[in-house]
Amino acid sequence: AQSVTQLGSHVSVSEGALVLLRCNYSSSVPPYLFWYVQYPNQGLQLLLKYTTGATLVKGINGFEAEFKKSETSFHLTKPSAHMSDAAEYFCAVSGSSRRAARQLTFGSGTQLTVLP
Amino acid sequence: DAGITQSPRYKITETGRQVTLMCHQTWSHSYMFWYRQDLGHGLRLIYYSAAADITDKGEVPDGYVVSRSKTENFPLTLESATRSQTSVYFCASSERLAGGVEGHEQFFGPGTRLTVL
Repeated sequence: AQSVTQLGSHVSVSEGALVLLRCNYSSSVPPYLFWYVQYPNQGLQLLLKYTTGATLVKGINGFEAEFKKSETSFHLTKPSAHMSDAAEYFCAVSGSSRRAARQLTFGSGTQLTVLP
Repeated sequence: DAGITQSPRYKITETGRQVTLMCHQTWSHSYMFWYRQDLGHGLRLIYYSAAADITDKGEVPDGYVVSRSKTENFPLTLESATRSQTSVYFCASSERLAGGVEGHEQFFGPGTRLTVL
């Protein structure tokens, strides 16, 4: 079984400030980890993913995340927030076996507000 | 246009009625998924399909029926809608990989907002 916890359902930052969205997971097998972004009235779009290899993963729009196995975390960061980053962000986990990889378990989401 | 589309985008229905939500993808992806999105729950998997005529239950399948007679379509039917099924429904697809499992990104449709009165 696997689960995802996103700390903070709402996060507000000022434009130009650091963005940090927290994600912790539990998984009985080596996980694959994902961050998705959802803009208003749209579907989800993949920001970045960790499968194997380098634990620091770079994604689109200047976001990156680091897989820390010892902390079971996959926090999302961006050095400088932009107004266009305002959206809801979802962390997700899947297993690494062929069957388990197909099933994503999502966190409850974090709404990011960027203040001018 | 290429991609994944859902119809209708908005639907209001009454308790007890049958409702079908449509999902169509043009990538010939093998896998397709249905999720529901509710405040505080993120997205929860209802059903998924590995190929035409192969479907399997997800986390919250009760009250829903799916079929997949063609690779590109994956309709979701609420046989007798209930108020608890008021939600935003997302369809997604991903490709089958010949070797390993890396790269199994799921691509999402724009969603259908369903209200059951």
